[in-house]
Amino acid sequence: QSVLTQPPSVSGAPGQRVTISCTGSSSNIGASYDVHWYQHLPGTAPKLLIYGNSNRPSGVPDRFSGSKSGTSASLAITGLQADDEADYYCQSYDSSLNAFYVFGTGTKVTVL
Amino acid sequence: EVQLVESGGGLIQPGGSLRLSCAASGFTVSSNYMSWVRQAPGKGLEWVSIIYSGGSTYYADSVKGRFTISRDNSKNTLYLQMNSLRAEDTAVYYCARGLRFGEPRQPLYFDYWGQGTLVTVSS
Repeated sequence: QSVLTQPPSVSGAPGQRVTISCTGSSSNIGASYDVHWYQHLPGTAPKLLIYGNSNRPSGVPDRFSGSKSGTSASLAITGLQADDEADYYCQSYDSSLNAFYVFGTGTKVTVL
Repeated sequence: EVQLVESGGGLIQPGGSLRLSCAASGFTVSSNYMSWVRQAPGKGLEWVSIIYSGGSTYYADSVKGRFTISRDNSKNTLYLQMNSLRAEDTAVYYCARGLRFGEPRQPLYFDYWGQGTLVTVSS
């Protein structure tokens, strides 16, 4: 299991706001390591949504936002749309592991 | 336009070897951080390996000593040589370009990914 824990699933109606948490510890997020977020539809290329905790690459709608506090980070999606239905992963670094890059456990977003 | 195209996946018996390729266009592989990430069936993303622009290479403990990452600058292509394959190596393998934001201690993020290639290890 990953050292970055995400809820297995979140859901919301079109137009609503959902948030996905990424809970870490003092050896990763709490050690001031940045968190990045990806959207992934199985069988397709993962897509970068947020880098450096809260920065959006060009082309990513401002409906997606990221934040970090203490040992956790969050991804918020506002104005939920049908094509937001996908898996979402956080990513950071853990100083206690030999793995340079750690991904969260992943969250399935379902649009009701 | 940046593009990454993986190839080389397939069905292989336990203990066998396979080499994955990732052909890049729109940027120079040797000037960038390049990584392999995999996703086992029903599981999440798992980082596998990375090669830095300077040539340094790093591996996840689960593949260390069995997998080798390399690149061919003339072909602008990234490779992953996988030996002594196990059933637990079954996954879709993605190549991705890494970028750094902020201080050197901060983890890279991956801005471009390929579509993936499926590796199935089974007898």
